Amino acid sequence: NAGVTQTPKFQVLKTGQSMTLQCAQDMNHNSMYWYRQDPGMGLRLIYYSASEGTTDKGEVPNGYNVSRLNKREFSLRLESAAPSQTSVYFCASTLGGRAYYGYTFGSGTRLTVV
Amino acid sequence: TQLLEQSPQFLSIQEGENLTVYCNSSSVFSSLQWYRQEPGEGPVLLVTVVTGGEVKKLKRLTFQFGDARKDSSLHITAAQPGDTGLYLCAGSSNTGKLIFGQGTTLQVKP
Repeated sequence: NAGVTQTPKFQVLKTGQSMTLQCAQDMNHNSMYWYRQDPGMGLRLIYYSASEGTTDKGEVPNGYNVSRLNKREFSLRLESAAPSQTSVYFCASTLGGRAYYGYTFGSGTRLTVV
Repeated sequence: TQLLEQSPQFLSIQEGENLTVYCNSSSVFSSLQWYRQEPGEGPVLLVTVVTGGEVKKLKRLTFQFGDARKDSSLHITAAQPGDTGLYLCAGSSNTGKLIFGQGTTLQVKP
């Protein structure tokens, strides 16, 4: 049982380049999330998908887009990377819309924009 | 805007000592969770507390939810080097999503 799988694990981009971070879960969870983690700032929500076919902005959505490809997969796209997007990105999923169920996180993508 | 403040941000102690980490807010949360994160990995859920005043124990870890559901604490008894990591509290907001505190980095020296 893999849980939440994120690819790639590491990435270096030049300013202005684009890339897509991939996330897939095999737990039949309905809701999926993208967070970024920066030192001293905890985890901040970028976008989320409460269920297949829906996506909504979180706390820090600027510069990002998402696609809920199907129930398993939720991708995050950076159209024109900026140094401020250097961070560790985590994908998470949960059974339902209520956070009570707890989130399962992937192991993260460490992104550096130079 | 609902916020969660964790304290302390950093804690370095000797093996065998006890410690408490606090998570405070001015807002009421429907539930509160604690996660532990190791370097290079994602956070892992430790516990969920739902009822005001609730206390849960997980081996040497004791979690408490405040009576008013605005605060929580994590107490570790006789800390071990394996407890080293980043501890995150997270509250279920009024929109149903999790709001995370900034985290407490714990280092337990042998």
